Amino acid sequence: NAGVMQNPRHLVRRRGQEARLRCSPMKGHSHVYWYRQLPEEGLKFMVYLQKENIIDESGMPKERFSAEFPKEGPSILRIQQVVRGDSAAYFCASSPGASGSSDTQYFGPGTRLTVL
Amino acid sequence: SQKIEQNSEALNIQEGKTATLTCNYTNYSPAYLQWYRQDPGRGPVFLLLIRENEKEKRKERLKVTFDTTLKQSLFHITASQPADSATYLCAPGSARQLTFGSGTQLTVLP
Repeated sequence: NAGVMQNPRHLVRRRGQEARLRCSPMKGHSHVYWYRQLPEEGLKFMVYLQKENIIDESGMPKERFSAEFPKEGPSILRIQQVVRGDSAAYFCASSPGASGSSDTQYFGPGTRLTVL
Repeated sequence: SQKIEQNSEALNIQEGKTATLTCNYTNYSPAYLQWYRQDPGRGPVFLLLIRENEKEKRKERLKVTFDTTLKQSLFHITASQPADSATYLCAPGSARQLTFGSGTQLTVLP
């Protein structure tokens, strides 16, 4: 049973370009979460999605960042017009969503974004 | 705002001893609390979940306590091994949103 998959593992972009990060949840999981980890800092929640719905985006920057989890295919975190401060590790997690209000979240290996 | 504090940035202990990591939280009433392990360059790996109505939980050499009055969780690794060296993250949660502490870096010396 494959775990959470993220690609690419490393992504280099120049300032002003777009970054697209992909996440395939574990098989049978319908809930996806995105977190950002800046160097020497802890994981910060960004957004929580279910299929075709954004449930909680309270941690997402108001501009340039968007996320989706379509009916078919992986979840996508998109960062438009990247700036150097966007350089970080972006982690995706998934959960089954079947056990009420608390679910263990299983993390992917992360995508390390470097903005030149 | 919610605040999660984990004890000392780094903790060094001798192999075979018990490591005790502390997680304190303020301005928060989590319904559960999870502990994760993170190795350099990798994603967090889930270890244990404890709910607000549970005082203690065990899994092999790991033990977690959860004191909602003190707003504190303790994470113990007994008979520690060099392979236990990693950063350990505390994550109180409610309604599926986790708030992570900055982690405690544990080094077990042979």
